[in-house]
Amino acid sequence: DVKVTQSSRYLVKRTGEKVFLECVQDMDHENMFWYRQDPGLGLRLIYFSYDVKMKEKGDIPEGYSVSREKKERFSLILESASTNQTSMYLCASSFAGGGGALSNYGYTFGSGTRLTVV
Amino acid sequence: DQQVKQNSPSLSVQEGRISILNCDYTNSMFDYFLWYKKYPAEGPTFLISISSIKDKNEDGRFTVFLNKSAKHLSLHIVPSQPGDSAVYFCAASAGSFGNEKLTFGTGTRLTIIP
Repeated sequence: DVKVTQSSRYLVKRTGEKVFLECVQDMDHENMFWYRQDPGLGLRLIYFSYDVKMKEKGDIPEGYSVSREKKERFSLILESASTNQTSMYLCASSFAGGGGALSNYGYTFGSGTRLTVV
Repeated sequence: DQQVKQNSPSLSVQEGRISILNCDYTNSMFDYFLWYKKYPAEGPTFLISISSIKDKNEDGRFTVFLNKSAKHLSLHIVPSQPGDSAVYFCAASAGSFGNEKLTFGTGTRLTIIP
């Protein structure tokens, strides 16, 4: 069964801490994404990557950075956690390009990490 | 600036009836649209998609309609079942296949009443 695995389901961190959220996929997908989900705001894109060592800012990159040293792993880093970064964080991956089965389209999501910053 | 909008935060439907979830978008560069379903404590899962060259796509109980001139799409579920109770997100892509950067709506919580 293909998977996107996020290292933690629940995380509690203190304000000012450096926080690492890890995401690993086993589908050989080229594309990887980090979103956060907040009530009333839906899913908002933080950062994405279409290739190893490549990264692009999404819609809300402030306060975050990412690392993609290997194809299967995409890490989200909160440089100095703040209470407004309390959220559900979702990692996703997808194939690059088109063609193939319809099931290849769209993302496969991980189960999410609920981060609380106190 | 919310480029993809789901104006109904919640919807309740009787089991067996039709559920209609709506989504509006503002960016005319969007070319591919998807619906995702999300249960609590799980990641969203892909449900159905539609390319801008079509106005309808059907998969079993799920049908998505696209009205490009109105920048509006809708998801029809018929008949609705209790397992359909979840949050539904509409998403849009400026790419052709929906596997690139997606912009999501705010979600609609669907409750199916037995």
